[in-house]
Amino acid sequence: QQQVKQSPQSLIVQKGGISIINCAYENTAFDYFPWYQQFPGKGPALLIAIRPDVSEKKEGRFTISFNKSAKQFSLHIMDSQPGDSATYFCAASMEAAGNKLTFGGGTRVLVKP
Amino acid sequence: ETGVTQSPTHLIKTRGQQVTLRCSSQSGHNTVSWYQQALGQGPQFIFQYYREEENGRGNFPPRFSGLQFPNYSSELNVNALELDDSALYLCASSALWSLTMGGYTFGSGTRLTVV
Repeated sequence: QQQVKQSPQSLIVQKGGISIINCAYENTAFDYFPWYQQFPGKGPALLIAIRPDVSEKKEGRFTISFNKSAKQFSLHIMDSQPGDSATYFCAASMEAAGNKLTFGGGTRVLVKP
Repeated sequence: ETGVTQSPTHLIKTRGQQVTLRCSSQSGHNTVSWYQQALGQGPQFIFQYYREEENGRGNFPPRFSGLQFPNYSSELNVNALELDDSALYLCASSALWSLTMGGYTFGSGTRLTVV
């Protein structure tokens, strides 16, 4: 039972390029959609998050686009840097279920210099 | 602010054994959650504790159990270990009021290998 589907599984981008990761969810009761960044040997760290009443949120080089009707959301990493090389996870949660996080399968991003 | 600390960092156990993993929450956090992350996959929710009581559980069998102590630290216990239990176990703490704003802080995890 995979409630949050993430694609692609891996991504290679040149330095300065744009990385795009997509996620789709099934449960319309989800009310919070965070993105996490995970480096090898470390736990996930919150990168940016959005609520379904907002269509886009930007923080620095990171932007979330949200399409409520399509039940899809995406992460754009602008001007990608080698230090952005990591695994990215989308997630979803709902307050009614105690805000537990349901994660996507992850996308391994490699930024080539 | 020390963050979330997990111990041990690595552990090797034999099938059928029992294991206890430990987590120290970030200062000021009263909620702790445990997640299992198999290699190459996203974390899966195991359970959550608030004020020493379980207040949410994922699709894991009863041999996965936990505790939260008065100082908000926590333990994850797994009995009758199976090979499929090999994974990275992540602890995440939060203040309950900040959960709706994504206030989870994850530890670096315990890598459990069952042989």
